[in-house]
Amino acid sequence: GENVEQHPSTLSVQEGDSAVIKCTYSDSASNYFPWYKQELGKRPQLIIDIRSNVGEKKDQRIAVTLNKTAKHFSLHITETQPEDSAVYFCAAGSNYQLIWGAGTKLIIKP
Amino acid sequence: DAGVIQSPRHEVTEMGQEVTLRCKPISGHDYLFWYRQTMMRGLELLIYFNNNVPIDDSGMPEDRFSAKMPNASFSTLKIQPSEPRDSAVYFCASSPGDFSYEQYFGPGTRLTVT
Repeated sequence: GENVEQHPSTLSVQEGDSAVIKCTYSDSASNYFPWYKQELGKRPQLIIDIRSNVGEKKDQRIAVTLNKTAKHFSLHITETQPEDSAVYFCAAGSNYQLIWGAGTKLIIKP
Repeated sequence: DAGVIQSPRHEVTEMGQEVTLRCKPISGHDYLFWYRQTMMRGLELLIYFNNNVPIDDSGMPEDRFSAKMPNASFSTLKIQPSEPRDSAVYFCASSPGDFSYEQYFGPGTRLTVT
């Protein structure tokens, strides 16, 4: 079946450094690629998304890049801060149905 | 808007009992999703509805699970009989439709089956 692979499963970075999380997907029909952040004990919340007709999108310290040919997309967080500590999920899909990655636990070291 | 509302927030029950989880989506949203989250299996889509009609239930684990959406403002996920392996956090999410794909999650129901 269709799947989304996400790496790494855990990422530890020094506060102020950048963090990069990568995902690959298998369904070539996918045209929507969101990233969700889930803080401990909380619900997942959308932080940024990108559609297949766009290669890159930025929102302040967060950016997402998409390579449709290679079927992979990445989340970039610059100047990381303690409040960035959370689990991040990527997803890929079309027609409102998303396939989710397994999540990346991001740890920001002081 | 109050966002997606789920009840109960926590449920502890014994194996074999029936469990009913409830969800009220954001008003005006056309799509409703039920997810299950565990450490082992991550976030799994169980079923989703469009305008109260089930579109894809291929993620429902087995016949013990059933979901209904009798109207645009209410949905239930029922497990009968429950088993310890059903212990998880169950999220409901809704989406506006009209090609806005963002899903708004509820706070979740933490289910423990002993």
